[in-house]
Amino acid sequence: EVQLVESGGGLVQPGGSLRLSCAASGFTFSTYWMSWVRQAPGKGLEWVANIKQDGSEIYYVDSVKGRFTISRDNAKNSLYLQMNSLRAEDTAVYYCARDPYAFDVWGQGTMVTVSS
Amino acid sequence: QSVLTQPPSASGTPGQRVTISCSGSSSNIGANIVNWYQQLPGTAPKLLIYSNNERPSGVPDRFSGSKSGTSASLAISGLQSEDEADYYCAAWDDSLNGWVFGGGTKLTVL
Repeated sequence: EVQLVESGGGLVQPGGSLRLSCAASGFTFSTYWMSWVRQAPGKGLEWVANIKQDGSEIYYVDSVKGRFTISRDNAKNSLYLQMNSLRAEDTAVYYCARDPYAFDVWGQGTMVTVSS
Repeated sequence: QSVLTQPPSASGTPGQRVTISCSGSSSNIGANIVNWYQQLPGTAPKLLIYSNNERPSGVPDRFSGSKSGTSASLAISGLQSEDEADYYCAAWDDSLNGWVFGGGTKLTVL
């Protein structure tokens, strides 16, 4: 079964850091672009970042540039999102998604709350 | 303010046909494919339509997509109560170098 499972969310103070992980199974992880997509409480979807199969191309939404870093470890079938200098507006459910031409597989999401 | 524009709400009665619009620009919808996602309450989004008008395996043919110029539409025919959900359009934006979403449309089945 094709599956994505996120972990690492939680409560963090403004200015703090958090690292999200996404474990992939049931498909050849190393052959797909991967993305992070977030959804603030009661709001719509917002794409955050994506990364090419070998990590040679990476893109970010402007609001996280310089603060978030997407990475992957193909040997571990894992995707990561290092989030630094967190702000209240980063509070959201973070989903990892397989990203060939569309987000065709989604994880269940992990909640990140930035609050003092 | 979302880059792609969708109506915030839509509604219909069981059996009816409803359409949801998605308006963009030459750098996103005008240049690239459009995908649609369905998000049932409390769940992760699900791919509903890809490449403007293709349905993934398992998606009923009641759902269809179209694109013309810088706009796209999702049509749902034979509306059912289980179609009540939020629907999002998305496209790659060549100017922003990123995926952009519509603000989402909440579909209510009356």
